[in-house]
Amino acid sequence: DTEVTQTPKHLVMGMTNKKSLKCEQHMGHRAMYWYKQKAKKPPELMFVYSYEKLSINESVPSRFSPECPNSSLLNLHLHALQPEDSALYLCASSQDRSLVNSPLHFGNGTRLTVT
Amino acid sequence: AQKITQTQPGMFVQEKEAVTLDCTYDTSDPSYGLFWYKQPSSGEMIFLIYQGSYDQQNATEGRYSLNFQKARKSANLVISASQLGDSAMYFCAMRDIYNTDKLIFGTGTRLQVFP
Repeated sequence: DTEVTQTPKHLVMGMTNKKSLKCEQHMGHRAMYWYKQKAKKPPELMFVYSYEKLSINESVPSRFSPECPNSSLLNLHLHALQPEDSALYLCASSQDRSLVNSPLHFGNGTRLTVT
Repeated sequence: AQKITQTQPGMFVQEKEAVTLDCTYDTSDPSYGLFWYKQPSSGEMIFLIYQGSYDQQNATEGRYSLNFQKARKSANLVISASQLGDSAMYFCAMRDIYNTDKLIFGTGTRLQVFP
């Protein structure tokens, strides 16, 4: 069983909709991440939160808005998405963003389809 | 710049046989961590095994072992006694001290285990 929980598992939304992806971890990890993965490609980093503060934004369009309400939760708010944003969105956590020996633990992902 | 290379887009192995998935890396940092992940068709990224740059011994985790050759900058994953459930995409990844936030992924190898 994964220790990082993502909801929903699947999401279909229109280009004018507003939706949110949710991620929760209870491992006491202080770093949390959002990745985007297109089919047959490796995951691409979007955002990194460290101690509940945004530390990295990989030049992600503003239609994606991350939020970290507390150390266990990470949200990704979606608004006015494009069909090319359809992908698997993966949340991950690690003990600390600065430890090279700390693996990222991923959730099951949300499969997003934008129509 | 760091780079991870997986030269095998696909591999086939018969059940109960061993298989080696190749991974080479490039970094100028003496301190780094190497990771292998398994991604079944369901989408979850499952952490398998970790090797640190200063580790003297090759890492092992159950049926997974890492053939770490530091001078050659390679970190090949060996799966022994393959099972049908091992069929998945496998990603090699790296973190180093200059870019600890970023888990750099290779392009992946799709492993198919046949009876």
